[in-house]
Amino acid sequence: QSALTQPRSVSGSPGQSVTISCTGTSSDVGAYNYVSWYQQHPGKAPKLMIYDVSKRPSGVPDRFSGSKSGNTASLTISGLQAEDEADYYCCSFAGDHALGVFGTGTKVTVL
Amino acid sequence: EVQLVESGGGLVQPGGSLRLSCAASGFTFSSYWMNWARQAPGMGLEWVASIHKDGSQKKYMDSVKGRFTISRDNAKNSLYLQMNSLRAEDTAVYYCARDSGFYVAGYWGQGTLVTVSS
Repeated sequence: QSALTQPRSVSGSPGQSVTISCTGTSSDVGAYNYVSWYQQHPGKAPKLMIYDVSKRPSGVPDRFSGSKSGNTASLTISGLQAEDEADYYCCSFAGDHALGVFGTGTKVTVL
Repeated sequence: EVQLVESGGGLVQPGGSLRLSCAASGFTFSSYWMNWARQAPGMGLEWVASIHKDGSQKKYMDSVKGRFTISRDNAKNSLYLQMNSLRAEDTAVYYCARDSGFYVAGYWGQGTLVTVSS
């Protein structure tokens, strides 16, 4: 299973919005509404930010939103804040007989 | 409070073996799939293995099939990863994660570093 494709980096100024894309195939992202997004700060464990394409776990700010169209999922961070600077990974379910697949990861920089 | 605590990492020579453990608390361990993920230095995340609530189903990434074995002891609230024939490319921080379904991992351990080097 190949990793999902994400841009290496995106950046924005505080208060702006940034969007991270996550492109898979018709066997993973395109086949299921089971895309999740994880935030990871340096030296820390990943943190779940979005699941089932667009649902937010309790405690995650509503500045984070997710969507999907075809084989591409997206994470949007609105009203960018300094603490949002981190690496972000998408993940997709890929069927009952396969492991899930992560994206390549995107570094978000707050200018 | 949900807690996942990994242990067992360390330095091992190529071809050697290591057993990672993950002690779970604060939830009904036997009600969840459990996963191991890893992250090589400066690299991205990978799911390594996944195990059903009762241990009846196991999945592995291709590069570790035949070398790694995931297991669990629901009586001890513990998850394990037996790693044999280790290679330099297995060097990574290994995390255990609680899976709520479809790789929705809401809880992660702090990670344990495995270094394979002579």
